[in-house]
Amino acid sequence: EEQLLESGGGLVQPGGSLRLSCAASGFTFSNYVISWVRQAPGKGLEWVSAIRGSGDITYYEDSVKGRFTISRDNSKNTLYLQMDSLRVEDTAVYYCVKEGQRTWGQGTLVTVSS
Amino acid sequence: DIQMTQSPSTLSASVGDRVTITCRASQSISIWLAWYQQKPGKAPKVLIYKASSLESGVPSRFSGSGSGTDFTLTISSLQPDDFATYYCHQYSSFPYTFGQGTKLEIK
Repeated sequence: EEQLLESGGGLVQPGGSLRLSCAASGFTFSNYVISWVRQAPGKGLEWVSAIRGSGDITYYEDSVKGRFTISRDNSKNTLYLQMDSLRVEDTAVYYCVKEGQRTWGQGTLVTVSS
Repeated sequence: DIQMTQSPSTLSASVGDRVTITCRASQSISIWLAWYQQKPGKAPKVLIYKASSLESGVPSRFSGSGSGTDFTLTISSLQPDDFATYYCHQYSSFPYTFGQGTKLEIK
């Protein structure tokens, strides 16, 4: 069974940093594009970033470009999202999603507040 | 960027009703569209992928159709468990985008 498990969320002050992780199992991790998708409280879904299987090509939504960095360690079957210069509006549940958009993690909550 | 326009934003219906939610893409996305159901506090659950393929384990009362720019999600006979929020999602090209959601409420 394909599974994704996010971790690393928490409370951080504006301007701070946080690193999210997504541990994958049940499929050949290195073969797939993996995305981060977020959902602010009471709001809709928003795609944030993605990375190709080899890790050589990355994509970002405009509001996070230059602040967030997506990466992966295929030897550990793990995806990361380094979030710097965090803003109040980055508060959301963050999900990792496998290519094909059918397999989602359960999400991890990031709260940016003073 | 590809914009996804989903309608209606809210839908009131009764158990047993047939309902349709539509999603329009600002440019062709072929069949690269998924539909999700989400309940409060839960991760989205995929219902339909590649526009019309029913995810394993999803009841057959759910169906998807369309290609190019116009897509529909149909629930043939609403059940009590179906009252939730529904999203369309294009994964044809980056940046991926979502519709704004349809809240399906009990009439």
